[in-house]
Amino acid sequence: DAGVIQSPRHEVTEMGQEVTLRCKPISGHDYLFWYRQTMMRGLELLIYFNNNVPIDDSGMPEDRFSAKMPNASFSNLKIQPSEPRDSAVYFCASTSRGTEAFFGQGTRLTVV
Amino acid sequence: GNSVTQMEGPVTLSEEAFLTINCTYTATGYPSLFWYVQYPGEGLQLLLKATKADDKGSNKGFEATYRKETTSFHLEKGSVQVSDSAVYFCALSDRSRGSTLGRLYFGRGTQLTVWP
Repeated sequence: DAGVIQSPRHEVTEMGQEVTLRCKPISGHDYLFWYRQTMMRGLELLIYFNNNVPIDDSGMPEDRFSAKMPNASFSNLKIQPSEPRDSAVYFCASTSRGTEAFFGQGTRLTVV
Repeated sequence: GNSVTQMEGPVTLSEEAFLTINCTYTATGYPSLFWYVQYPGEGLQLLLKATKADDKGSNKGFEATYRKETTSFHLEKGSVQVSDSAVYFCALSDRSRGSTLGRLYFGRGTQLTVWP
């Protein structure tokens, strides 16, 4: 397996634009997590899914953020409209219950 | 609830020095414990893990022992190298039933810098 695949690796966008981050989890994993990492706040869990169903989205900062998992092999995280304070590295991770989580390489988002 | 507390960084050491990064946890069930490492510009990757009390996880010269009596999982290495410079995260996975099943709880991370 190629591991967790995220795209794009880097995204630079203007304030107010819609941003879509994508994630392909490892085949067979039934949990998928979206994290945000900043210097100030460290690693924050935004939302996670089990069997494509959102379980806990309490970490999603605002209504501007949304995430979907239409099938077992794909998830996206959207920010609309984007703001400069959304600049961060966004990680996707997948796991099976009770085992280690595998992380993608992350998407570095810069909102100018 | 579930939480992880790890020592504040940054930690700066000379090559071949002994490393300890403290980690303690609070858990409602029977957690698995992990140490993840993040090298500059990369995602987190698993360094080692332990799934039950008294288990010792080890990898690349790093070790950590799951101590239920002290709710700790301290990371140690006898002789660090420059290539060990990275951010280290302690984490737990709650295997009990309920809405937290499968979720990982991370500490804040500890930046380690090793000088030659």
